[in-house]
Amino acid sequence: AQSVTQLDSQVPVFEEAPVELRCNYSSSVSVYLFWYVQYPNQGLQLLLKYLSGSTLVKGINGFEAEFNKSQTSFHLRKPSVHISDTAEYFCAVIRMDSSYKLIFGSGTRLLVRP
Amino acid sequence: DGGITQSPKYLFRKEGQNVTLSCEQNLNHDAMYWYRQDPGQGLRLIYYSQIVNDFQKGDIAEGYSVSREKKESFPLTVTSAQKNPTAFYLCAVQRNNEQFFGPGTRLTVL
Repeated sequence: AQSVTQLDSQVPVFEEAPVELRCNYSSSVSVYLFWYVQYPNQGLQLLLKYLSGSTLVKGINGFEAEFNKSQTSFHLRKPSVHISDTAEYFCAVIRMDSSYKLIFGSGTRLLVRP
Repeated sequence: DGGITQSPKYLFRKEGQNVTLSCEQNLNHDAMYWYRQDPGQGLRLIYYSQIVNDFQKGDIAEGYSVSREKKESFPLTVTSAQKNPTAFYLCAVQRNNEQFFGPGTRLTVL
């Protein structure tokens, strides 16, 4: 079975500071990895994904993530956050051999303060 | 995603009533999903359908039912058997290995 762990339920940060949101996963098979963002009372929007190739993945809104297979991690980073980045962020994985079921972490709320 | 619509955005129901949430897509994708979201938790899979006239239970299917009579539509019925139905419900469609989400329906049981 697969599982996704987001250890930080909330991350407060000042505007223009860097941020890292942590994501670790466990799986007996290879997986694809995703980060989604959710603004209040809205659906989820795909930020970035890792399917294959370069382990450093760049997404929308200046976010990037690095896949580390040995540490089974896929941490999300942004060098300088804005107030508008305040939202809930979800890490998710899907099995490569049976890619129909997306497994989500519990989410991290990013709170950007002025 | 503009190609996925969910209605209504807010829904109120009395205890003991069944209610149906709508999910429509114009993206021509085969696979559709229903998730439930509760505060402080990730999304949990209720039902999914990979083709018309076929659907599978997810992790928390009890108290819910679905149908898939058309490719474009995947309605979810929350029955009176669902003991704690107040939640945010999200519909998604899948293309290749990516899932795209609708705007959600917030259901509140009074």
